[in-house]
Amino acid sequence: DAKTTQPTSMDCAEGRAANLPCNHSTISGNEYVYWYRQIHSQGPQYIIHGLKNNETNEMASLIITEDRKSSTLILPHATLRDTAVYYCIVRVGAAGNKLTFGGGTRVLVKP
Amino acid sequence: GAVVSQHPSWVICKSGTSVKIECRSLDFQATTMFWYRQFPKQSLMLMATSNEGSKATYEQGVEKDKFLINHASLTLSTLTVTSAHPEDSSFYICSAAGTSGPTDTQYFGPGTRLTVL
Repeated sequence: DAKTTQPTSMDCAEGRAANLPCNHSTISGNEYVYWYRQIHSQGPQYIIHGLKNNETNEMASLIITEDRKSSTLILPHATLRDTAVYYCIVRVGAAGNKLTFGGGTRVLVKP
Repeated sequence: GAVVSQHPSWVICKSGTSVKIECRSLDFQATTMFWYRQFPKQSLMLMATSNEGSKATYEQGVEKDKFLINHASLTLSTLTVTSAHPEDSSFYICSAAGTSGPTDTQYFGPGTRLTVL
């Protein structure tokens, strides 16, 4: 699976949009971009995933560049409960394919 | 939907004993389950992948005789830490993936914190 690069940490203001970048310049055509987050002492929570089109669900939006070498996760209105480590992972879609976690981005939402 | 549970949520045991952790997919059938380990201030590391009814595939460096994995049904996988030692103390997390679509998203359990005294 292709590797991803994310900033180590970032702060954002409560109520504002949080934009989390991810670089995946070696992504292959059949690899999806997945986003998970892990709140302290809990299991990771699935957020969203996409292949090449932009995606939106009740939690977030995922913007993937046309060349698919980078993406941005957008939390539209950050709350204090969004404080977590956010992981961007690239993976071929299939039940048997593992997720490889990097260091992620530690997001701190401040009042 | 897509809920995964783990039991117990935490366990304390004496060195040399064995501990069993259960992972259940509550509202979907999981053809594949994964076991991860996470040490403090580190990221998740995959230990093994298991498919229902077949032997687990372990990642390099993970002792298969120490970490026994059984995936007996489409909703249950167990991890047994045999002869546990203090260095096995960690946060163990399972995930499950079904066949609900082309990408087969993995959903994670809440984790089990193991402390070996």
